[in-house]
Order: sequence, then structure tokens, then C-alpha cells
Amino acid sequence: EAQVTQNPRYLITVTGKKLTVTCSQNMNHEYMSWYRQDPGLGLRQIYYSMNVEVTDKGDVPEGYKVSRKEKRNFPLILESPSPNQTSLYFCASSLTRLAGGPDTQYFGPGTRLTVL
Amino acid sequence: AQKITQTQPGMFVQEKEAVTLDCTYDTSDPSYGLFWYKQPSSGEMIFLIYQGSYDQQNATEGRYSLNFQKARKSANLVISASQLGDSAMYFCAMRDSGGSNYKLTFGKGTLLTVNP
Repeated sequence: EAQVTQNPRYLITVTGKKLTVTCSQNMNHEYMSWYRQDPGLGLRQIYYSMNVEVTDKGDVPEGYKVSRKEKRNFPLILESPSPNQTSLYFCASSLTRLAGGPDTQYFGPGTRLTVL
Repeated sequence: AQKITQTQPGMFVQEKEAVTLDCTYDTSDPSYGLFWYKQPSSGEMIFLIYQGSYDQQNATEGRYSLNFQKARKSANLVISASQLGDSAMYFCAMRDSGGSNYKLTFGKGTLLTVNP
């Protein structure tokens, strides 16, 4: 089954304790991206990757790191989490044939993070 | 500048009736794609329908159709014969060339409630 998986699905942690949210896709997609969703703000992009070893900042990258060592995996790293990073996080992936084309972004199930 | 506007924070519809969710967008790129996603209370993002800027016909997918009015820069989602399971948050999103980033820019969403 074609899918994007994220782990963990739920996480409660404390300020300053490093954490990693994993993301993996089995569709051989070049493009992967992380979004965060906050009430009233919709989804905002954190980081994205066009391919292996190619990553760049999105709209709200502060406090986050990513890596893309393999095509299928795109982990999100919070080196020193703070309460303002409490949010619902989504990983997504797609092909990249044409920007305006129908290559749908497929989303993972989401990770609900609470930083105390 | 906000690129996607969803002016209806919440909508109510009776079961079996049709409902239109509004979306307007802004881009200067001639090539772009418009997407609608559904987010039920469980949190996952479910792709519903896609419309390309060069498509001559309005997109349809089962009970979903997209009323695409290019000159007005609107891409309204029409759900026919509403079902209780359609109760969810609905997001309109756009992807244009935007440099090398294939990100989706999301609106803030419309919460649809289907009444029995």
C-alpha cells in the first residue's frame, strides 16, 4: 500500500529535550516536506527536500532541522523543543513533474506534539 | 501575502443536500494547481480533488466537483448529496511554480457540519 508513515503519532515532552519525528514514504517520491498545523493558521511549511541531500527552509523553519540521507526518509529534528512548538505536524511527499501539475501531495497521519 | 482565502470559517448543511465551500486564490504564475483536502476529526489529510490552471473542464471526483472560475480566481468545492461522514474541516490549497519549492499553500479551512 502506497503511504507516508510518521512516528510517533503522539508525543508529550519537556522543554529542551531533543526529539526526532520520523517520516517515511514508499512511493519513490523525490519531494518531501514538513508542515505544522495550528488553530486558525492552517498548515505552514517548515522544511522541504527536493531529493536526497537537497533540503531547504520553508516558511517557519526556526527551531527545526531536517536531513535527507535516503530518498524514502525525511526526519524532523527538534534540538531544543519549546512550548511554542506544540502543534500537529504532517509529513508529505509527492512527485515533481510539474509545479502546476496533478502530482498530489500525500500526507502522513500526523504527529501531535506537546511540549511542556 | 496570503495566496489562498477561505472566507467561511464554518458551514452547516442538511444531509442529502448540496453545499459549496468557497476558495479564492492569488498568483501571477500562469501554471498552477488547486487542491482540496478533507481533514476529519481523526486528523489525517485526505486528498479530494485537483484542478490545473490549464484544464478546460471543471474537475469532478464522485460527489465532489470543483467550480473553477479562472478570471475570478476562484476554485469552489461542491459536495453533492451530503453525508454525515462529510462533516470535517476542508482545506483549499494551491501549488504554483514558486521557485523550486513544490509546497502547497493552504487556506485556513472551512469546518463543515452535516446535520441529519
